[in-house]
Amino acid sequence: DTGVSQDPRHKITKRGQNVTFRCDPISEHNRLYWYRQTLGQGPEFLTYFQNEAQLEKSRLLSDRFSAERPKGSFSTLEIQRTEQGDSAMYLCASSLGQGRYSSYNEQFFGPGTRLTVL
Amino acid sequence: AQSVTQLGSHVSVSEGALVLLRCNYSSSVPPYLFWYVQYPNQGLQLLLKYTTGATLVKGINGFEAEFKKSETSFHLTKPSAHMSDAAEYFCAVSANTNAGKSTFGDGTTLTVKP
Repeated sequence: DTGVSQDPRHKITKRGQNVTFRCDPISEHNRLYWYRQTLGQGPEFLTYFQNEAQLEKSRLLSDRFSAERPKGSFSTLEIQRTEQGDSAMYLCASSLGQGRYSSYNEQFFGPGTRLTVL
Repeated sequence: AQSVTQLGSHVSVSEGALVLLRCNYSSSVPPYLFWYVQYPNQGLQLLLKYTTGATLVKGINGFEAEFKKSETSFHLTKPSAHMSDAAEYFCAVSANTNAGKSTFGDGTTLTVKP
């Protein structure tokens, strides 16, 4: 499979628990993005990596959220002490970019991880 | 800063009728513009994009969109709706100065009636 994959597809957790999501981008893509999508809204940017470097984080990404991309391959998004407001679809996308301010390259999205916090 | 406004959160058309989904954007730099489609419980699939050059862009599944700078619009059209077009559609804006980070509209749900 050459597309972006995300695991798990669904996660139900209790408030206060920690959760971790994984994203595997298209293998040759050096950029990886995380977005959050709540019901009835479009995706909102959370953070982005170029290779292993996290170059930008949205103010939406509170201290309870952390993302990593060790070795510039897969990425993980961890949410600590989950709150009911964290319930959303978490989308990962990847693209092949040339540099921080290079021309846009198409983002390919994964199927998302739907998080429900009870 | 960039923003996107999609006019009409729900659009309903009959099968075979024209589809028109509206998108207006705001951008302080030359924009890149996109339309995505999302089916239930799935990720986003790119329908078409405008970066530079020809302002009328054609995408997959018979969709097209026209970039109108003077109107800051990028409306999505399809001459004849098919039942399989029923989905949610998102307009997004990006720029070559922000590493491809996209700002999305809130989406338009398209219903196709038989």
